Formats: sequence, C-alpha cells, structure tokens
Amino acid sequence: DAGVIQSPRHEVTEMGQEVTLRCKPISGHDYLFWYRQTMMRGLELLIYFNNNVPIDDSGMPEDRFSAKMPNASFSTLKIQPSEPRDSAVYFCASMSGGAHNEQFFGPGTRLTVL
Amino acid sequence: GQQLNQSPQSMFIQEGEDVSMNCTSSSIFNTWLWYKQDPGEGPVLLIALYKAGELTSNGRLTAQFGITRKDSFLNISASIPSDVGIYFCAGQHANFGNEKLTFGTGTRLTIIP
Repeated sequence: DAGVIQSPRHEVTEMGQEVTLRCKPISGHDYLFWYRQTMMRGLELLIYFNNNVPIDDSGMPEDRFSAKMPNASFSTLKIQPSEPRDSAVYFCASMSGGAHNEQFFGPGTRLTVL
Repeated sequence: GQQLNQSPQSMFIQEGEDVSMNCTSSSIFNTWLWYKQDPGEGPVLLIALYKAGELTSNGRLTAQFGITRKDSFLNISASIPSDVGIYFCAGQHANFGNEKLTFGTGTRLTIIP
C-alpha cells in the first residue's frame, strides 16, 4: 500500500513568493493533519481535517497560511507571501479514525525561504 | 504548543547496548505512541499503547503505558546501527479531542562504532 505522499520533497523560494505544498493521504483515512517541524519548536500541529472539513486550525501561525482539502485524496497547504521564518519541514499525516489514534506521516517537504 | 517531557534528549551508546527512554506529562493520556524519525524522512510509528499498564513488544522494542497514565517508556535491546535516529513519544490527551496528538521533544540516539 502507498503511504502518505507529499510533494515537492524540497522547495527553495524567495521571500514574498507563494508556496504550495501538496499531500495525498492514505486511501480510506478520514483524517488529515498538517505539521511543521523546526529545531526550536519541534513538531507543531498546524491544522487538521475530518472528512475534508477543517476541524481545528488554531495552530496556523498567521493569515499568510491557508489549507484546503477539496476531496478525500488531496490537500494543500499554501503560504502567501512566504517569509524566511517559514523555513521548516512540513509534514502531512493521515489517520483512519475510530478507536485508534495512529497517525501515519508522509516524508515531508523541506521548505527554504531565502 | 504543549509538548511532553521526553528524556534523555540525546544518547550515545555502543552497538549491542540496551537503550531506555521515557516521556512524562502532568496530564492524563488515553493513548501513547512511539515514533522513530530517520534523517530526511517523516516519523514512522513503532508501537501504540492504549491501556494503562499495557506492555507491548515489537521485535527488540518494548514500550509500556504507565499505570498513572502520565508516562510511558521505550526500551531497545541489543542496539544495532540502524537504530540511529530520533525517537518521539506522542500522546492523546484525555481532556482534548480524540484526534490530536501531543509530541515529545525527541531523543536523539547515536551509536558509537
């Protein structure tokens, strides 16, 4: 089975540019999570969806960040305009729901904003 | 955001040695998960624990859900080079929504040749 798929794996952009990160969750999973990982702050939950509906976006740092999930097999995280402090690794994870809370992570997108 | 207290922060051991790390919280958790992250990759789930006192093994890995529901440990026996990486605990807080996980700060494991 394919795991969580993220693209691109690496992104280098200049400050002020728009950045779009993409995620395909594991088929059949009802939940999708976006995380950001930095050395200083560790793993931070940004937003998560249940059945394509955003449930909790309290971790989204600023209005420059937005996330969508137009269907069960695709989600995007957009940063517009990007800033150097947005440089981090962004992970997408999915979960089937039900009694267990096991989240499965994608390989991540390493974002560098110059 | 909230993080679990995970210790030690780093470990330097020789191949073949046993490893022990733990996570503690001031709050009660319903679920404890242990993940391993290799460089350049996402965290991979190693073990999941769902009941207080539960002891679960996965090969050379053993983890326990503390009886107070506020802690968990992970042991690795007879370490090998591929055990190198960062280990994270994660818990589902009893008083929050079922879906969200709180993560530990990680334990970086290095094996000295």
